[in-house]
Amino acid sequence: KQEVTQIPAALSVPEGENLVLNCSFTDSAIYNLQWFRQDPGKGLTSLLLIQSSQREQTSGRLNASLDKSSGRSTLYIAASQPGDSATYLCAVPHMYSGGGADGLTFGKGTHLIIQP
Amino acid sequence: DVKVTQSSRYLVKRTGEKVFLECVQDMDHENMFWYRQDPGLGLRLIYFSYDVKMKEKGDIPEGYSVSREKKERFSLILESASTNQTSMYLCASSLNLAGNIQYFGAGTRLSVL
Repeated sequence: KQEVTQIPAALSVPEGENLVLNCSFTDSAIYNLQWFRQDPGKGLTSLLLIQSSQREQTSGRLNASLDKSSGRSTLYIAASQPGDSATYLCAVPHMYSGGGADGLTFGKGTHLIIQP
Repeated sequence: DVKVTQSSRYLVKRTGEKVFLECVQDMDHENMFWYRQDPGLGLRLIYFSYDVKMKEKGDIPEGYSVSREKKERFSLILESASTNQTSMYLCASSLNLAGNIQYFGAGTRLSVL
């Protein structure tokens, strides 16, 4: 059964720092990996989706990498701002024995605080 | 922009009540999902649907059922609500199952007293 782990569980850094959030998964047979942001009491906003054939995806100050063989992904946030404070979640599709996929398996998230 | 709308942000129900959580998406997506989110446990898949009138169990379907009579609407039903179903419920939709982004609603925080 796929397990997704995110380290660290919480992180607090001063504004302006570059930072890296880590995600690991136990089964490398994935279609893609998705990073989400969740603000307190709110739903999830998709940030980046990396297909299994890709190594990186970038959106503004965010860069996500994927190393399928080692079961790892990182989310790099450049020049962090207080507005980046949120919980960041990574997720991979469930795979089932027929070779298809359905819902997502999530990590428990990294709670990020950017201090002004 | 894709919009996934959950009908209620907050609900308070009594033990034993039948509860309906509604979700509507406006992008003609084939697939819809219900998750619940609990502190320390993260998000877990309850049910999903890949077509009208089709449904599949996720990881934690016990105590829940779903209905998808129209493509845009996916309902989660708690037949007899219990206190251990107090949680944040999140609905999502996607164009297909594996290759596309899942878009989430704002969530419904359900309290069962």
